[in-house]
Amino acid sequence: QQQVKQSPQSLIVQKGGISIINCAYENTAFDYFPWYQQFPGKGPALLIAIRPDVSEKKEGRFTISFNKSAKQFSLHIMDSQPGDSATYFCAASISGNTPLVFGKGTRLSVIA
Amino acid sequence: DAGVIQSPRHEVTEMGQEVTLRCKPISGHNSLFWYRQTMMRGLELLIYFNNNVPIDDSGMPEDRFSAKMPNASFSTLKIQPSEPRDSAVYFCASRRRETNEKLFFGSGTQLSVL
Repeated sequence: QQQVKQSPQSLIVQKGGISIINCAYENTAFDYFPWYQQFPGKGPALLIAIRPDVSEKKEGRFTISFNKSAKQFSLHIMDSQPGDSATYFCAASISGNTPLVFGKGTRLSVIA
Repeated sequence: DAGVIQSPRHEVTEMGQEVTLRCKPISGHNSLFWYRQTMMRGLELLIYFNNNVPIDDSGMPEDRFSAKMPNASFSTLKIQPSEPRDSAVYFCASRRRETNEKLFFGSGTQLSVL
């Protein structure tokens, strides 16, 4: 059973456009929702994270939107740049040192 | 800090051979995780340790897989015997147990079993 479902699998966005990646989760006990960014040949690295006490978190061009009732959260990349081209993973976990459960990833390509 | 260090970066072996992947976590981190990445299944958790003790190995696909953490600075993932379907990128990651937050990944080992 996949606990975190991510879509789309791949995404092509024009430079300057908005990239949107969505995730849905099943376990209502999850209380930590990070996004990881992975460049080719590298391991994933934490990009931004949110907890369910807020509905939105913004860091620069990256924003997480969180909808607790729908059990969904999304990553928005504003003014997308070619350097943002990477694979993005959403994840979820329960506080108390439980492991992160990852979505399957979205390969983003930003074209000029 | 050098980050999480994995070796080798690439491993090509023949079916039936033993494969050992190595990981050195970040100093001071007391939780260590092994993940496997494939196109079809994404990032799958194989096993994780807290303070060198295995906590959950339910993600280990078969008895052919085993993992050890003899001390706080070293862990191994062994596959014996290896099979072509084990071909994937294997990541080691670590964090401080108390934070339950940022996970630091190594650069991975690209395993190809022919």
